[in-house]
Amino acid sequence: DGGITQSPKYLFRKEGQNVTLSCEQNLNHDAMYWYRQDPGQGLRLIYYSQIVNDFQKGDIAEGYSVSREKKESFPLTVTSAQKNPTAFYLCASSATLIGANVLTFGAGSRLTVL
Amino acid sequence: AQSVTQPDIHITVSEGASLELRCNYSYGATPYLFWYVQSPGQGLQLLLKYFSGDTLVQGIKGFEAEFKRSQSSFNLRKPSVHWSDAAEYFCAVGAAYGGATNKLIFGTGTLLAVQP
Repeated sequence: DGGITQSPKYLFRKEGQNVTLSCEQNLNHDAMYWYRQDPGQGLRLIYYSQIVNDFQKGDIAEGYSVSREKKESFPLTVTSAQKNPTAFYLCASSATLIGANVLTFGAGSRLTVL
Repeated sequence: AQSVTQPDIHITVSEGASLELRCNYSYGATPYLFWYVQSPGQGLQLLLKYFSGDTLVQGIKGFEAEFKRSQSSFNLRKPSVHWSDAAEYFCAVGAAYGGATNKLIFGTGTLLAVQP
């Protein structure tokens, strides 16, 4: 079945370390997204990508970086510059960025900074 | 700027009772509207969507929602709640015109508890 795979499910990091979250999709979708979820704040957009080798900042991009070298992959790096990285991270994809499409979500990655 | 408001942070209903979760949005034109559900520690699952046409939309698990343009609302309803409906529910809006329509804005969520 097609879907989105996020790994790892749980990740612990020491302060000052960078960490990369993986997101892979086999839906043949062009657009991919990273959202951050904190209790009581809903989902906030970090980065999104419309096509390979192209990505744009979302509402809370500071302290994060992404790449889109392959259509099916959109990894997110949480850098040491992110002041409060402990959160639940969700990756999503849609057929295209523009048009009447539905976002499909992965199961999420929970990052805890010790 | 687009925004979504879910005024109820937490709702408790009895099993078998009816349910209505409120969602209000702010957007200058007709939006795309969505309801997603999330079980603890999991991703989001789409319940239903509105793109155009009939303003009453049916979704999975017996849920429905009605788009009311005059009230800028897209409330989610279910006539009889089951214990398995306990979860967090998110309303989201996307721009129907003028750009990145699938760059969704989400509400803060409503946590539903179901009493036996």
